[in-house]
Amino acid sequence: GAGVSQSPRYKVAKRGQDVALRCDPISGHVSLFWYQQALGQGPEFLTYFQNEAQLDKSGLPSDRFFAERPEGSVSTLKIQRTQQEDSAVYLCASGLSRQVNTEAFFGQGTRLTVV
Amino acid sequence: DAKTTQPNSMESNEEEPVHLPCNHSTISGTDYIHWYRQLPSQGPEYVIHGLTSNVNNRMASLAIAEDRKSSTLILHRATLRDAAAYYCILRDRGSGSARQLTFGSGTQLTVLP
Repeated sequence: GAGVSQSPRYKVAKRGQDVALRCDPISGHVSLFWYQQALGQGPEFLTYFQNEAQLDKSGLPSDRFFAERPEGSVSTLKIQRTQQEDSAVYLCASGLSRQVNTEAFFGQGTRLTVV
Repeated sequence: DAKTTQPNSMESNEEEPVHLPCNHSTISGTDYIHWYRQLPSQGPEYVIHGLTSNVNNRMASLAIAEDRKSSTLILHRATLRDAAAYYCILRDRGSGSARQLTFGSGTQLTVLP
């Protein structure tokens, strides 16, 4: 497809369960971002990759959150031992370059509900 | 990134122009002004961006104040599909790392039929 694809679209996890969220960016895009969006709030930055290198993970809320992009394309956000406060929409975005005068393309997000 | 201030909500009538304001009094000379919008149950989508001069594209226009401390996103003819949260974001081309988009709480636009 032409856009950023995220899977699954919806995930329900029991508290304490591990989850993995997948992001397929637009082919050839160098930059990849993960965001967390709580209900009624704007997206909050989690982490950033330039190709396979994770250059910024300052937004990850705890060491239970881990992201990887081993071959510089598909990325996975993993949350270990999920808690109720992890319930949110997780958004992935990709960009053609690092330049700030270019646009970021977002996926539709994965809605995670921890019960 | 410098902070932006937007009204929490605005209403507009269908087929009328909409002016969405954004204040960014602490903007630096290297900050680009970006606008994104987020329709219900969708990811954010790019609308427009500019640095100093006014900008037009097929979606909207961006009017930037001469001192760059404020800007206005203009939708020339609102449709029901334009109902969304609109985010005004500053991106510093001089920052050294991720240059991520820093979203605030945005303006929720309601379009009335």
